[in-house]
Amino acid sequence: EDKVVQSPLSLVVHEGDTVTLNCSYEVTNFRSLLWYKQEKKAPTFLFMLTSSGIEKKSGRLSSILDKKELFSILNITATQTGDSAVYLCALYSGAGSYQLTFGKGTKLSVIP
Amino acid sequence: NAGVTQTPKFQVLKTGQSMTLQCAQDMNHEYMSWYRQDPGMGLRLIHYSVGAGITDQGEVPNGYNVSRSTTEDFPLRLLSAAPSQTSVYFCATKGGGRGQPQHFGDGTRLSIL
Repeated sequence: EDKVVQSPLSLVVHEGDTVTLNCSYEVTNFRSLLWYKQEKKAPTFLFMLTSSGIEKKSGRLSSILDKKELFSILNITATQTGDSAVYLCALYSGAGSYQLTFGKGTKLSVIP
Repeated sequence: NAGVTQTPKFQVLKTGQSMTLQCAQDMNHEYMSWYRQDPGMGLRLIHYSVGAGITDQGEVPNGYNVSRSTTEDFPLRLLSAAPSQTSVYFCATKGGGRGQPQHFGDGTRLSIL
């Protein structure tokens, strides 16, 4: 059974801090790892990672995958209150499968 | 969330009642799925469909039925609601190709008394 573990489960930081969110996984047939941001409603897509060592970047957010050690990190620099959300890590696994397996999420709170 | 529309946004039911959660998309995506999100449990897959006329079970299918008669619509039916089905339900769609993420609707918050 595929497994996704996120840490920490919650985190409180001050505006301007840099944070690192962790996602480790166990999977029988890895295809890709995805990061989503969830505020009050729908999870919104951030990144999809397929290859090790290639950083994906969007503004102050970046993410990288290590397929040897089976983990990914999501970095947010110069945090803002608008970054407060639950960050979800998910896996596509299995040949031909489009099912996502999610972790429980990391709740990030950014205080002024 | 543009493209995936869920209705209703909120619903309160009594135990034993039935209802249908609606999901419609206008992106011509073949893949559609239903998840439930519970505190401390993350998102769990209920049912999914890879195209019209084709459905399959996910991780937590018991108590739910689905059908897919058109590409656009993928309703989720609760035949006899139970308090354990109190949750937030999300519909998601995915376009063709292996490198595509899933796109989520805004969810339906369902409470069963």
